[in-house]
Amino acid sequence: NAGVTQTPKFQVLKTGQSMTLQCAQDMNHEYMSWYRQDPGMGLRLIHYSVGAGITDQGEVPNGYNVSRSTTEDFPLRLLSAAPSQTSVYFCASRTDSTNQPQHFGDGTRLSIL
Amino acid sequence: EDQVTQSPEALRLQEGESSSLNCSYTVSGLRGLFWYRQDPGKGPEFLFTLYSAGEEKEKERLKATLTKKESFLHITAPKPEDSATYLCAGKDRDDKIIFGKGTRLHILP
Repeated sequence: NAGVTQTPKFQVLKTGQSMTLQCAQDMNHEYMSWYRQDPGMGLRLIHYSVGAGITDQGEVPNGYNVSRSTTEDFPLRLLSAAPSQTSVYFCASRTDSTNQPQHFGDGTRLSIL
Repeated sequence: EDQVTQSPEALRLQEGESSSLNCSYTVSGLRGLFWYRQDPGKGPEFLFTLYSAGEEKEKERLKATLTKKESFLHITAPKPEDSATYLCAGKDRDDKIIFGKGTRLHILP
C-alpha cells in the first residue's frame, strides 16, 4: 500500500547548496507532478511529466530541474538553493485517464538558510 | 485568468454543528472540480470529483455539490476527526489544475 513515496521528509540546506528530492510511485501511473505549498497560497505546479522521457514546466519552474527516466521515479533537483525555495514540496501521480484524481505523497519539508 | 477561490479561510464549529465550505471558480472549459482533504504534515487526500452542474457526491458526513460558478462541501454533524484543511481544485480544458488556498476546518468536541 505504498502509493507515492517521497524522501527525505525533512531537509535543511544552506544557500547555494544543491540537492535532489526523490519521488517514487508504484501504481504504474503515467502522469507525475511536483508542487510546492507555501503558507497562504495554493499548491503551485513546478514541473510535470506525462510519461518516461517527457517533462514540461509548470507555473513556477525557475531554479528546479526534473528528469523522468523511468515510469516509477520523478526526482526534483534544486540547482543552487535560495531562501525563497523554503517550502513544502509534494509529488503527485495519476493515470493517463484525463479525469482521474491525483495521488499525493506526504511531502518534503525543505528549509534553506 | 483561471482562478479558484475558497471561503472561509478558516472555520471553527462545535461537534454536530453542520456547515458548508465554498469554492468559487472561473476556469475555462471546466473538465473536473476536485475536493481534497489535507491533514497536518500529510499530502492531500482525494475526496470527490464533480464534472457537471447539478452533480452531487457523498461520503460519510461529506457531500459535494457543483453549480456553474461554485462548489460546496457540506459537512453534516461533524466530528473532531473531520478537522483538516479542505482543498478545492479545478481542471481546465488544457488539463491544467488550479488549486484554491484551502479552508482550515476545526471541529471542537
